[in-house]
Amino acid sequence: EPEVTQTPSHQVTQMGQEVILRCVPISNHLYFYWYRQILGQKVEFLVSFYNNEISEKSEIFDDQFSVERPDGSNFTLKIRSTKLEDSAMYFCASSDWREQYFGPGTRLTVT
Amino acid sequence: GENVEQHPSTLSVQEGDSAVIKCTYSDSASNYFPWYKQELGKRPQLIIDIRSNVGEKKDQRIAVTLNKTAKHFSLHITETQPEDSAVYFCAASGTGTASKLTFGTGTRLQVTL
Repeated sequence: EPEVTQTPSHQVTQMGQEVILRCVPISNHLYFYWYRQILGQKVEFLVSFYNNEISEKSEIFDDQFSVERPDGSNFTLKIRSTKLEDSAMYFCASSDWREQYFGPGTRLTVT
Repeated sequence: GENVEQHPSTLSVQEGDSAVIKCTYSDSASNYFPWYKQELGKRPQLIIDIRSNVGEKKDQRIAVTLNKTAKHFSLHITETQPEDSAVYFCAASGTGTASKLTFGTGTRLQVTL
């Protein structure tokens, strides 16, 4: 069964550094999402992406965040200048307009 | 925007008993309600979902009910097993095809022997 994949599984970075989180959605899916989950809390929506543009973004998704689909398979989330409070598990999800399927997540630790 | 409340936050049941988790949502335009199971350190996995045109859906030991008027939906797990132990999240989504999911705060289910 096809799955969403994400790399890296764990990223440690210093405050102020840029990070890029990578996702490979399920191949025939057209809708892509990023969510984050701070340890012990609920999953929060960051951004949705369709047809090479952002469909919707949350208040969390400020100017420090950007998304890109650089080629036909990858979907990336960039955080330009990380803050301590960006430490969380970041999940990519993809959808064929029905169910959303989540990747295994990237644990981002900002020190 | 949408707000999803989930109760209880923790639930402990004995193996073989039933477990019920309840959620309420605020946006009457929401029409898709999935439930995700998340084991420690793993991704949320879709276990069942319901759309607003039906009131109940069953899949083996798992069922979901929806009351659109009251804006409630519930997850029912019968004959619980130790492997059902996990955190369960309800979510709600709107009418657009790329609609985001708004999650509840999660229920930690512990099934004891």
